[in-house]
Amino acid sequence: KAGVTQTPRYLIKTRGQQVTLSCSPISGHRSVSWYQQTPGQGLQFLFEYFSETQRNKGNFPGRFSGRQFSNSRSEMNVSTLELGDSALYLCASSLWTPRETQYFGPGTRLLVL
Amino acid sequence: GIQVEQSPPDLILQEGANSTLRCNFSDSVNNLQWFHQNPWGQLINLFYIPSGTKQNGRLSATTVATERYSLLYISSSQTTDSGVYFCAVDPTGVANSKLTFGKGITLSVRP
Repeated sequence: KAGVTQTPRYLIKTRGQQVTLSCSPISGHRSVSWYQQTPGQGLQFLFEYFSETQRNKGNFPGRFSGRQFSNSRSEMNVSTLELGDSALYLCASSLWTPRETQYFGPGTRLLVL
Repeated sequence: GIQVEQSPPDLILQEGANSTLRCNFSDSVNNLQWFHQNPWGQLINLFYIPSGTKQNGRLSATTVATERYSLLYISSSQTTDSGVYFCAVDPTGVANSKLTFGKGITLSVRP
């Protein structure tokens, strides 16, 4: 089975722009979670989707949003980018819930200038 | 929310040495996972271990849920074991699950 894939792998944006990141889960997995990793804050939970519904959301401003499609692929969007949004964004998939083994993608490195 | 503490924060080993990495958590958990993050950022799941002991090659893990800690053992370490090791937990009694990560343990294995 192919693993979790994320696109793009690297991205450079400027302040005020918006960005969309994509995640394709392992085939058959329906739960997709997103995490932000920064040197200062570590790995922080953004949100989790299942069957096109957001089931859980972390403590991030409304500029961070996401969605999931009927094929379980997920996107996250960050609007009005700030310097502090520079981070590694990781996507993880599991069969039904994050309570099971989670498999991570390679991540998208976002640099905001 | 639940607190996850990992120790030591940094560890330097000579190739072939053994090590023990510790994860303490402040509440009871449904789910505990150990991950290894390689230098390119990829997180690899090592163990799903909310309780008990598991082994996979040179790695093994034990979680004592009643005492709220987990240990990851690395035997005969190799340079490819270098990277950051994370413990992540999902507390019980919470309607919607998510993983809360510790700050990680940076392991450097010298040849």
